[in-house]
Amino acid sequence: LAKTTQPISMDSYEGQEVNITCSHNNIATNDYITWYQQFPSQGPRFIIQGYKTKVTNEVASLFIPADRKSSTLSLPRVSLSDTAVYYCLVGDMGRTGRRALTFGSGTRLQVQP
Amino acid sequence: DAGVTQSPTHLIKTRGQQVTLRCSPKSGHDTVSWYQQALGQGPQFIFQYYEEEERQRGNFPDRFSGHQFPNYSSELNVNALLLGDSALYLCASSFDLGDYGYTFGSGTRLTVV
Repeated sequence: LAKTTQPISMDSYEGQEVNITCSHNNIATNDYITWYQQFPSQGPRFIIQGYKTKVTNEVASLFIPADRKSSTLSLPRVSLSDTAVYYCLVGDMGRTGRRALTFGSGTRLQVQP
Repeated sequence: DAGVTQSPTHLIKTRGQQVTLRCSPKSGHDTVSWYQQALGQGPQFIFQYYEEEERQRGNFPDRFSGHQFPNYSSELNVNALLLGDSALYLCASSFDLGDYGYTFGSGTRLTVV
C-alpha cells in the first residue's frame, strides 16, 4: 500500500472549517483514498472515500487533485465533538471488504471552544 | 442492529499468561479482522478470518492466534504475554464486495503487568 504523510496534530476553534491534507506520492492506479475518524477508546469509524476530484457526504468533503498525489479532508464548521484522530488510508480498497487496512499515526485534531 | 461487539472491555493479565478476546461481527458481515493499537499509534493489522480460516496475517508472532466460528464470531488468543502486548485490541467486521464497509468495535483494553 502507498505510504501516506499527514500532519501529526492540528488545532481549530468551533465553527471553523478544518482541512487536513494527506500526501501519498506513490499512489497506484487502482488505489482509493479513505479517511477514518477515531475517538479515544473507540474503534475507527469510516468517514469518506474517493478516487478522484471531489466527494461530499453529510459529514465531510474529500478533495483529490488530478495527479492524486495528495488529498484534503474538509470538515465544515467543526464542533468540540470533532476532536479526534483522523487517519488517511490509501489502497486498492474498492469492491471488497477483505483487505487489510494500513493505518499511519494519523492527525490529532483538537477543537477549542 | 447491533454493530461489532467485543468482550471484555478491559482486562489485566500478568506476564506469561494467556488471554482470549472475543468479537461478534455486525449482522450481515462474514469477515473478521483483528488489529492491535498501542497508545498513540494507529491500529496495526494482526490477521483476518473468513469461512472459518485465517486468510491474511500481519507481522505478528505465532503467539497471536485466532479462530472463527460458524456464526462468524471470532476469538483472538495471545500466549506467553509480554509487557509490550499491552494495547487496545480492535475487531473489525466486513463482507466481501462490501467496498469500504469495515465496522470496528470499541475494543478490548489489555494491560499486561
